[in-house]
Amino acid sequence: EAQLVESGGGLVQPGGSLRVSCAASGFTFRSYWMSWVRQAPGKGLEWVANIKQDGSEKYYVDSVKGRFTISRDNAKKSLYLQMNSLRAEDTAVYYCARDLLPDTPNYGMDVWGQGTTVTVSS
Amino acid sequence: DIQMTQSPSSLSASVGDRVTITCRASQSISNYLNWYQEKPGKAPKLLIYAASSLQRGVPSRFSGSGSGTDFTLTISSLQPEDLATYYCQQSYSSPYTFGQGTKLEIK
Repeated sequence: EAQLVESGGGLVQPGGSLRVSCAASGFTFRSYWMSWVRQAPGKGLEWVANIKQDGSEKYYVDSVKGRFTISRDNAKKSLYLQMNSLRAEDTAVYYCARDLLPDTPNYGMDVWGQGTTVTVSS
Repeated sequence: DIQMTQSPSSLSASVGDRVTITCRASQSISNYLNWYQEKPGKAPKLLIYAASSLQRGVPSRFSGSGSGTDFTLTISSLQPEDLATYYCQQSYSSPYTFGQGTKLEIK
């Protein structure tokens, strides 16, 4: 069974940095685009970033460009999100998610982790 | 960026009712439209992809339609377990934006 498990969330001060991770199991990780999606308290879902199978293409929502970096290690079957210059508005549950179909994006995300909570506050 | 607008923002319906949620894109997205169900405390679940394809394991009472800018999610006969918030998402171009969500309540 395909599974994703996030870790690394926590409390960080405004302007600080944090790296969240996502460990994959039960599927061929290197064959799929992967994404990060977040949900602020009481708010809707916001797509944050995604990354191609080999890491050669990365895309971000405008609000995190230049501050967040998505990366992956296919040997470790892991996805990462490095978050710098954090702001209060980055407070959210961060989910990693797998694209539905191997070798192609654009068809939704069918496997999600349980989420990790990032709180930015002094 | 492509804006996704859902309507209504919330709705209340009875068990057995036919329920329709609409999603409109700010520009044409072909059929690159996905629907998710989110229950409290749980991760989102993919229901429909490519506008009308039912994800494996999803009950057949869920269906999707539309193309271009206007899309619909229909629940043919509402069940108590369908209490949730529903989101549309475009996957035509990055950023892959979500609609604001539709909160479905059972009368």
